[in-house]
Amino acid sequence: GGIITQTPKFLIGQEGQKLTLKCQQNFNHDTMYWYRQDSGKGLRLIYYSITENDLQKGDLSEGYDASREKKSSFSLTVTSAQKNEMAVFLCASSIDWGGAYAEQFFGPGTRLTVL
Amino acid sequence: GQQVKQSSPSLTVQEGGISILNCDYENDMFDYFAWYKKYPDNSPTLLISVRSNVDKREDGRLTVFLNKSGKHFSLHITASQPEDTAVYLCAALNQGGSAKLIFGEGTKLTVSS
Repeated sequence: GGIITQTPKFLIGQEGQKLTLKCQQNFNHDTMYWYRQDSGKGLRLIYYSITENDLQKGDLSEGYDASREKKSSFSLTVTSAQKNEMAVFLCASSIDWGGAYAEQFFGPGTRLTVL
Repeated sequence: GQQVKQSSPSLTVQEGGISILNCDYENDMFDYFAWYKKYPDNSPTLLISVRSNVDKREDGRLTVFLNKSGKHFSLHITASQPEDTAVYLCAALNQGGSAKLIFGEGTKLTVSS
């Protein structure tokens, strides 16, 4: 077994602020993901990293940067927080990219509120 | 447009009944289909998945039906229990293509006792 941890659990920011969310996994998975969850919109992929040193834009990458510092960690940066923004950001990992091992394991999430 | 769509945002079923959750998709190249379950304030976890070479998969009280010609798959939960109350997210991907898992919007299932 393994676990995915996300820090912080709650993040409160100011409009225009740069905010960083962190994710760690000890599954030894190759692939990691960042999703944004909004009510009524399911999960939307922001960035993903197929292997260490890889970075790919998802469908919602505008306004975000990401960094795969090492195999076990993947961070997401909100480059300029939008006023009144509220969302949950979920980190996930999978053994590899698609293929036979498509199951994704999710972290507990970071709840962002922008004042 | 929304590639994977769950048209019912909510569903209420009596305890002991059958819950049927539906999912439609647009991309006929999708070949992997999954249902994730999410309790409030918890992360999604994989419930059951199927590949496109089968049209049905059973696992205990869960059955996934895949209708490739109709671009539709569904999750049936028999003998529904209050602890089945959760949000159910369908997802699909094309393993030979972009291999990005595309999620639906979710259906909130409430099983009333």
